[in-house]
Amino acid sequence: AQSVTQLDSQVPVFEEAPVELRCNYSSSVSVYLFWYVQYPNQGLQLLLKYLSGSTLVKSINGFEAEFNKSQTSFHLRKPSVHISDTAEYFCAVSRSGNTPLVFGKGTRLSVIA
Amino acid sequence: DTAVSQTPKYLVTQMGNDKSIKCEQNLGHDTMYWYKQDSKKFLKIMFSYNNKELIINETVPNRFSPKSPDKAHLNLHINSLELGDSAVYFCASSHGPKLFFGEGSRLTVL
Repeated sequence: AQSVTQLDSQVPVFEEAPVELRCNYSSSVSVYLFWYVQYPNQGLQLLLKYLSGSTLVKSINGFEAEFNKSQTSFHLRKPSVHISDTAEYFCAVSRSGNTPLVFGKGTRLSVIA
Repeated sequence: DTAVSQTPKYLVTQMGNDKSIKCEQNLGHDTMYWYKQDSKKFLKIMFSYNNKELIINETVPNRFSPKSPDKAHLNLHINSLELGDSAVYFCASSHGPKLFFGEGSRLTVL
């Protein structure tokens, strides 16, 4: 069975500073990897995903994540954060195919002005 | 226009009551899910339905009974509510590995 570990439960960072949210997964088979974002009192929105192909994936709002198979990681990065990036970020994994996502415990990103 | 909609968004009730949460998706997806998010924000799959058929039932008490009248709807009925049932319940649908979530239904059991 798959599992996801998000090592940091909270990450405070100053506005315009870079940030990295860490995610490691365990699975014995090929996986799909996702980052979802949850703004306060809202549902989850897909931020970016890795299904196959290029190991570096990017979102429209400046986030990127790199799939590293040897380290079983899918860390999320942004070179310069904004106040509006304050949210809960969830890493998730799915076996290749139509299986449900398994989520990490989330990382609360707090951007400080 | 909402792709996955849940009702109600907020639900406050007493222990022992029975309540339902409804979910509808207009994306034409075959697969729908219920996830539970606890007070620590941890998200856990409860049920998965594919084309009205139950395909995943995690270790959820049988007080929770999902019902899918058609592939666009997946409702969740909860009997004999307990304090520990307080959480945010998310409905989601998918076609392939990407999930689309509803905005959640916050259940508070007093």
